Amino acid sequence: GQQLNQSPQSMFIQEGEDVSMNCTSSSIFNTWLWYKQDPGEGPVLLIALYKAGELTSNGRLTAQFGITRKDSFLNISASIPSDVGIYFCAGQTPTSNQFYFGTGTSLTVIP
Amino acid sequence: ETGVTQSPTHLIKTRGQQVTLRCSSQSGHNTVSWYQQALGQGPQFIFQYYREEENGRGNFPPRFSGLQFPNYSSELNVNALELDDSALYLCASSYRAGQGTYEQYFGPGTRLTVT
Repeated sequence: GQQLNQSPQSMFIQEGEDVSMNCTSSSIFNTWLWYKQDPGEGPVLLIALYKAGELTSNGRLTAQFGITRKDSFLNISASIPSDVGIYFCAGQTPTSNQFYFGTGTSLTVIP
Repeated sequence: ETGVTQSPTHLIKTRGQQVTLRCSSQSGHNTVSWYQQALGQGPQFIFQYYREEENGRGNFPPRFSGLQFPNYSSELNVNALELDDSALYLCASSYRAGQGTYEQYFGPGTRLTVT
């Protein structure tokens, strides 16, 4: 199956700092989704991207659909303690109904 | 508008048994996808149901099967449980029009433990 490389694997940051994480694939995707998951719960959709080059914001979160269609980026500005959790990217190829998930980025915010 | 719900929340089964997990999709959604999430990993696609038929399957054996009902709710059945089946099982609903599947919304999951 498709492999999504997500980095970094984990991040420890001070409250108020900005965060950047990214996801790359070996194949072209036509949809990118970004999720946040808290322990023992289901992933919560943060941002959906449908076009190459698209830049979309949701509050302090901004995500971009890479021009090559093989990558995506998520930025969180002015982090707060409730941003703690695991962030997953997910992508869908033009020929498949399934979403492939990255391995996750674990974010810890130090007050 | 109600979100995606799953039942039960937790389940403990013995190796070799069978299990059925249930999912109610979000209002207005017509597609349900099931995922298996092992500890410390990202969700792995099991299969998707659209118009009550399986429409896409990941790398899972036939003992993983499912159903979708006319009200778009769904079941995941796993036969001959193995220890490695222990995981969080997630259901995601979405609206599909034509070939595209749009953003998926997840339920809280069912934690299955096989002993």
